[in-house]
Amino acid sequence: GAGVSQSPSNKVTEKGKDVELRCDPISGHTALYWYRQSLGQGLEFLIYFQGNSAPDKSGLPSDRFSAERTGGSVSTLTIQRTQQEDSAVYLCASSLASDRVYEQYFGPGTRLTVT
Amino acid sequence: DQQVKQNSPSLSVQEGRISILNCDYTNSMFDYFLWYKKYPAEGPTFLISISSIKDKNEDGRFTVFLNKSAKHLSLHIVPSQPGDSAVYFCAARATYSGAGSYQLTFGKGTKLSVIP
Repeated sequence: GAGVSQSPSNKVTEKGKDVELRCDPISGHTALYWYRQSLGQGLEFLIYFQGNSAPDKSGLPSDRFSAERTGGSVSTLTIQRTQQEDSAVYLCASSLASDRVYEQYFGPGTRLTVT
Repeated sequence: DQQVKQNSPSLSVQEGRISILNCDYTNSMFDYFLWYKKYPAEGPTFLISISSIKDKNEDGRFTVFLNKSAKHLSLHIVPSQPGDSAVYFCAARATYSGAGSYQLTFGKGTKLSVIP
């Protein structure tokens, strides 16, 4: 069956531009998570959705970051006025329910490079 | 402040031998620990987990040991196979009432190379 998909797989953008990263979770998964992995670092939690609502946005690094989820499915992570420190791999994961943490299924990630 | 630490960035092991990957944590609220495996250009995949009420969990060639007093866990792979070559991430979850209990805190990963 189809897993979590993310697009684009790679994105190179100039500093100051806005970018949108997309995540298509596994069908039927109600919980969706965004993480990012900077070079040499572990995965850093950004935001979590249960359905279309985001109960916890505390991991978003700044107000330049926002995310939304529509129809309980696709999610978009938007970074405005990108900075070089935003360069990282952005990973999306989904799970059947938010309390089953260990059943998070990850997508392949979007590698963002800000020049 | 890194709450989950994997102090070895890389490890090389001969095929057929045991691989031991280590992880230390500082947050005493962590109650569930997981290991994820990641191949290049792929997302992490769940490998094995352990609850803080246990000290060992075994699944085939993979065993995770938890030493709560030392705040240390380890993943043992026996016997190691070339297909096990990947980056292994240790992750932990803390149970809080309300928001936060779903959040995983990851270590930086250890790159395992199994040499044929």
